[in-house]
Amino acid sequence: DTAVSQTPKYLVTQMGNDKSIKCEQNLGHDTMYWYKQDSKKFLKIMFSYNNKELIINETVPNRFSPKSPDKAHLNLHINSLELGDSAVYFCASSQDRRQGRMAEAFFGQGTRLTVV
Amino acid sequence: QKEVEQDPGPLSVPEGAIVSLNCTYSNSAFQYFMWYRQYSRKGPELLMYTYSSGNKEDGRFTAQVDKSSKYISLFIRDSQPSDSATYLCAMSATRGGADGLTFGKGTHLIIQP
Repeated sequence: DTAVSQTPKYLVTQMGNDKSIKCEQNLGHDTMYWYKQDSKKFLKIMFSYNNKELIINETVPNRFSPKSPDKAHLNLHINSLELGDSAVYFCASSQDRRQGRMAEAFFGQGTRLTVV
Repeated sequence: QKEVEQDPGPLSVPEGAIVSLNCTYSNSAFQYFMWYRQYSRKGPELLMYTYSSGNKEDGRFTAQVDKSSKYISLFIRDSQPSDSATYLCAMSATRGGADGLTFGKGTHLIIQP
């Protein structure tokens, strides 16, 4: 069973379109994240959600909006796609209440987005 | 200056060699240090986790943290071709991780059979 699953795995779309990437985790974690990995493999956090509440929002354009229908899902909506949005987007989850150690983040397989 | 600096490589070594991977950082608030391994077209997976300064060993892998120098290392002994991957260091100021992880750029490691 896949712990963190994302769909689709690949997404090719034209500039200006609106698209969504779905993420689901079956680990019972209470915090989920979206990361972006650019062409130089640099992985950077975009959002995190804890108990359906947005915790952080790095300097991400407001064309990107996370939506969490429940604790197990965190979807990423992107409006008016631009060429620079081409990257691999990773969903991750962790348990925020573990005592005495860092909450390990589990990553999905990634969604490779190409904007043409 | 980026918060976390990591040499992207590629680093190519023969099978059986000892590999040393390193990161430096500037944010003194970081207390939790991790190494992730990422195979091509896969998501990162956690290898090692260390809190504050010190060493931690797990099989062929040893993680070291020197907070005074803001320097962390991952050593791989008896390297295998299956260790070929990108290794990313990651850090956080909080235990819960809710503020997310700050990653280095990753070092592409190649173990030659």
